[in-house]
Amino acid sequence: DGGITQSPKYLFRKEGQNVTLSCEQNLNHDAMYWYRQDPGQGLRLIYYSQIVNDFQKGDIAEGYSVSREKKESFPLTVTSAQKNPTAFYLCASSADPEPGETQYFGPGTRLLVL
Amino acid sequence: AQSVTQPDIHITVSEGASLELRCNYSYGATPYLFWYVQSPGQGLQLLLKYFSGDTLVQGIKGFEAEFKRSQSSFNLRKPSVHWSDAAEYFCAVAQKGDRGRRALTFGSGTRLQVQP
Repeated sequence: DGGITQSPKYLFRKEGQNVTLSCEQNLNHDAMYWYRQDPGQGLRLIYYSQIVNDFQKGDIAEGYSVSREKKESFPLTVTSAQKNPTAFYLCASSADPEPGETQYFGPGTRLLVL
Repeated sequence: AQSVTQPDIHITVSEGASLELRCNYSYGATPYLFWYVQSPGQGLQLLLKYFSGDTLVQGIKGFEAEFKRSQSSFNLRKPSVHWSDAAEYFCAVAQKGDRGRRALTFGSGTRLQVQP
């Protein structure tokens, strides 16, 4: 089945720790995105990648980092600089970064702080 | 800057009743318009989208939406709600020529509760 997988489903972060969220897609899509979802705030764009080996900051990139070494993978690292990381994180992909392209979403990762 | 407003944070309807979720946008040109649905703890699923042409768009699960340029609106409707429709609904907007960062701008969502 084609789709987007995210792991883990739940992730716990200790103070000062970096954690990495996985996102994999087998849709052969060029563009990938990371969103953060907080209650009542909709989805906010953290980072996006239009093509492999390229990525750009979104609206709330501070405290986060990404890489795009393979077309199918776009991992997100939540660094210790992100002071309020508790949220639901969604990864998405689209065939290309044009605005008309449908974005397909993974099931999400919920990050909690211990 | 483009923006999307969903005025209703939370809506409760009875099963079998009709539903209308509101979405207003602020844009300079004709936008691309989307409605997504999110079940609790899950990712988002596309319900329907509008690019051009017929202003009444049919989607999955019996949903439809109507683009009204004069009102800058793209309201989602369903004639008869089922208990399984309880979820959060997001309106999203894009504009021709925007790429990457502005590929999609989301509203804050409307949570739908369905009463038996």
